[in-house]
Amino acid sequence: SQQGEEDPQALSIQEGENATMNCSYKTSINNLQWYRQNSGRGLVHLILIRSNEREKHSGRLRVTLDTSKKSSSLLITASRAADTASYFCATGQNQGGKLIFGQGTELSVKP
Amino acid sequence: GAVVSQHPSRVICKSGTSVKIECRSLDFQATTMFWYRQFPKKSLMLMATSNEGSKATYEQGVEKDKFLINHASLTLSTLTVTSAHPEDSSFYICSARATGANSPLHFGNGTRLTVT
Repeated sequence: SQQGEEDPQALSIQEGENATMNCSYKTSINNLQWYRQNSGRGLVHLILIRSNEREKHSGRLRVTLDTSKKSSSLLITASRAADTASYFCATGQNQGGKLIFGQGTELSVKP
Repeated sequence: GAVVSQHPSRVICKSGTSVKIECRSLDFQATTMFWYRQFPKKSLMLMATSNEGSKATYEQGVEKDKFLINHASLTLSTLTVTSAHPEDSSFYICSARATGANSPLHFGNGTRLTVT
């Protein structure tokens, strides 16, 4: 069964603007991960945040995790047209390390 | 970095035939691989966890006799869609871990299956 909800489902911004995507989940987790998918392709791992961490940075990416609210956010700063893709959060479960994915946010960055 | 290769990338088959999809870890060994299914503009649905040398663990609602998974070596898992029907048309993606249970997954590029 699917774990999480993401919002917005779709986001359209101009190059240079920041993009914020949110993810909520339902059960306890070991970690939460964000992935990116270009149309018709596999997923690429972006960043992992453990359940005992609150914030993590990687380049132009900033991820927060609030386990009390069971939510996470992904911020992409100074967006570029090449950031256009679908972004998924995924929660690491205790059972065998499987990942359960959220519904995804389709980001469009216009040049 | 860890690379997962999935083949074929695209396949069209007739109803009633079977299709095999291969997932290989190219530069690491994967005792566990995961098979996902994705509908257009939708999330990834976990179908099953493929375990090297043992039976796959299927998610609730996934027919194990319909979607046969074999993980015969540490670098290869296969998914066979048996007696395919048009409703099986979908994007199938495999993934694997290079290290521990809580490390990121590495994904293949997916297989677009169209059943006519």
